Amino acid sequence: GQQVKQSSPSLTVQEGGISILNCDYENDMFDYFAWYKKYPDNSPTLLISVRSNVDKREDGRLTVFLNKSGKHFSLHITASQPEDTAVYLCAAGATGYQNFYFGKGTSLTVIP
Amino acid sequence: EAAVTQSPRSKVAVTGGKVTLSCHQTNNHDYMYWYRQDTGHGLRLIHYSYVADSTEKGDIPDGYKASRPSQENFSLILELASLSQTAVYFCASSDHRGGYEQYFGPGTRLTVL
Repeated sequence: GQQVKQSSPSLTVQEGGISILNCDYENDMFDYFAWYKKYPDNSPTLLISVRSNVDKREDGRLTVFLNKSGKHFSLHITASQPEDTAVYLCAAGATGYQNFYFGKGTSLTVIP
Repeated sequence: EAAVTQSPRSKVAVTGGKVTLSCHQTNNHDYMYWYRQDTGHGLRLIHYSYVADSTEKGDIPDGYKASRPSQENFSLILELASLSQTAVYFCASSDHRGGYEQYFGPGTRLTVL
């Protein structure tokens, strides 16, 4: 089965609003969680990551929230801007395991 | 300077032909990966390697081979290309800790006719 799931294939947000992207995972062993950003015809680039020993990590307009009991993590983008328009991939993995699992992606559109 | 490069950037191949996709990294990373991206599937791991001269199967290895002749180079080989292997292929590298923070190449768009 799919180890990492992004249930929303797309999201549209007004400029200045908060974009909330969600990701669910299956494996209790996962202890590393990340969000990648991908523009069309470009490669994914790491935005922000968090280890399982914290519930939240902030970096500028980005915040990752981790809910281990619910096997869920999310990315919040505050003050969303048109240049945030892209596909966002969540990913998760476990220490000692080389496989790193990606979700299918959520296409975010920020409307001016 | 791009730390992970791929060649070719695009390729058209015929069904049944052999295709080799190459990846080169200057990150001095131990781990290298090959993914394919398809609409509706996201990124799926084909093969990976954590040391030269050794490769491991990922989630969808069937129809693909991999080769890691040196720390810097990792190739993906399609011995008998099929229509279903039309996709965008990404190579990535990460440090000795494995999957954490992967650095991706620009991708290779492969079309099999």
